[in-house]
Amino acid sequence: GQQVMQIPQYQHVQEGEDFTTYCNSSTTLSNIQWYKQRPGGHPVFLIQLVKSGEVKKQKRLTFQFGEAKKNSSLHITATQTTDVGTYFCDRGSTLGRLYFGRGTQLTVWP
Amino acid sequence: EAQVTQNPRYLITVTGKKLTVTCSQNMNHEYMSWYRQDPGLGLRQIYYSMNVEVTDKGDVPEGYKVSRKEKRNFPLILESPSPNQTSLYFCASRFRGRNNEKLFFGSGTQLSVL
Repeated sequence: GQQVMQIPQYQHVQEGEDFTTYCNSSTTLSNIQWYKQRPGGHPVFLIQLVKSGEVKKQKRLTFQFGEAKKNSSLHITATQTTDVGTYFCDRGSTLGRLYFGRGTQLTVWP
Repeated sequence: EAQVTQNPRYLITVTGKKLTVTCSQNMNHEYMSWYRQDPGLGLRQIYYSMNVEVTDKGDVPEGYKVSRKEKRNFPLILESPSPNQTSLYFCASRFRGRNNEKLFFGSGTQLSVL
């Protein structure tokens, strides 16, 4: 129903490799937010996507919102050890109920 | 500095002993919410509040209570904690602008119920 499926659950990469995490919904989303949680830390907002087909970049991070607004991805180019953490998507809501994906835990080997 | 403050950071208690985790935000946000985070399950919403004196259940409200008597504070109350409530808890407040919204999270409370 309201859940977002996030894959993969874990990803281990060597420093310099790329990384992608995906969030998929069975229903159309009004918007989607992405958060990063460092080990031992709290989730920190990265970005919000609102428009169909939207692509936003933050340095080595590229965020995409699907044309049908049912899926989104976060891609990191040339990972660094500072990218380690868990990345969550939140399907967003104009009301109070919020639904997060289960997160993708990224490990980067030096 | 804009922030959400949660206390305590760590708490060890015993089954049945009532406890309160405090949450305060200084950003004048109307919306606040509580989450628990368990390995492999991500963030699950416990309760949320759209404004003062307005609270509602999230995904996993059983065993928890909240109150919102004033805008800045949103405490989480466990009247009779049980071991299955051992978890990492986060409070958050939400900024909402035109086509722009984001959550600000507190630093978390690691709760162990023995």
